Amino acid sequence: DADVTQTPRNRITKTGKRIMLECSQTKGHDRMYWYRQDPGLGLRLIYYSFDVKDINKGEISDGYSVSRQAQAKFSLSLESAIPNQTALYFCATSAGSDTGELFFGEGSRLTVL
Amino acid sequence: GQNIDQPTEMTATEGAIVQINCTYQTSGFNGLFWYQQHAGEAPTFLSYNVLDGLEEKGRFSSFLSRSKGYSYLLLKELQMKDSASYLCAVWDSNYQLIWGAGTKLIIKP
Repeated sequence: DADVTQTPRNRITKTGKRIMLECSQTKGHDRMYWYRQDPGLGLRLIYYSFDVKDINKGEISDGYSVSRQAQAKFSLSLESAIPNQTALYFCATSAGSDTGELFFGEGSRLTVL
Repeated sequence: GQNIDQPTEMTATEGAIVQINCTYQTSGFNGLFWYQQHAGEAPTFLSYNVLDGLEEKGRFSSFLSRSKGYSYLLLKELQMKDSASYLCAVWDSNYQLIWGAGTKLIIKP
């Protein structure tokens, strides 16, 4: 089983619908991240969390919200999805600032019609 | 602003050597990463450089020059499975990762 698991892997929805992407990890890492990836662009950070009580906005947080339910779980919500949120979304974890390596989930491909 | 530049696409031949360049302009520097991403899959870590010089890891090597804001990833003895995108990312002064758009490497027989 993967160390970082994302659900759903693929989702097609309509404009205005609420969508939640879930991420769970078994690596025991405190730090968790949500990124989106679009063709021709680098990974862009949406939100990140350094522990259960810590939530921080990233580069492109507008239109998104997150919840850190436990050390192992970090979910991303789109309250009212719009077509330009169509993208590949990745959850990632890391052990801390002295070890920058990120461990990514398999990705969630979201299409908003 | 912060910027990372890498070529969009490169083509190389199986068995050959290829060098993928990355130049960066960031607010501070705490290290540079290379990740490999196969199509439709998650990025996976390849290397981390924080000091100038060459780091070798099997068929892959990564070089850093902080004074020039420059790094390269060198892939030797190319195999078909090396066909992937290679992502360059820099840790800035706040330990935020700034990502390049990636270089798609196509390997031909």
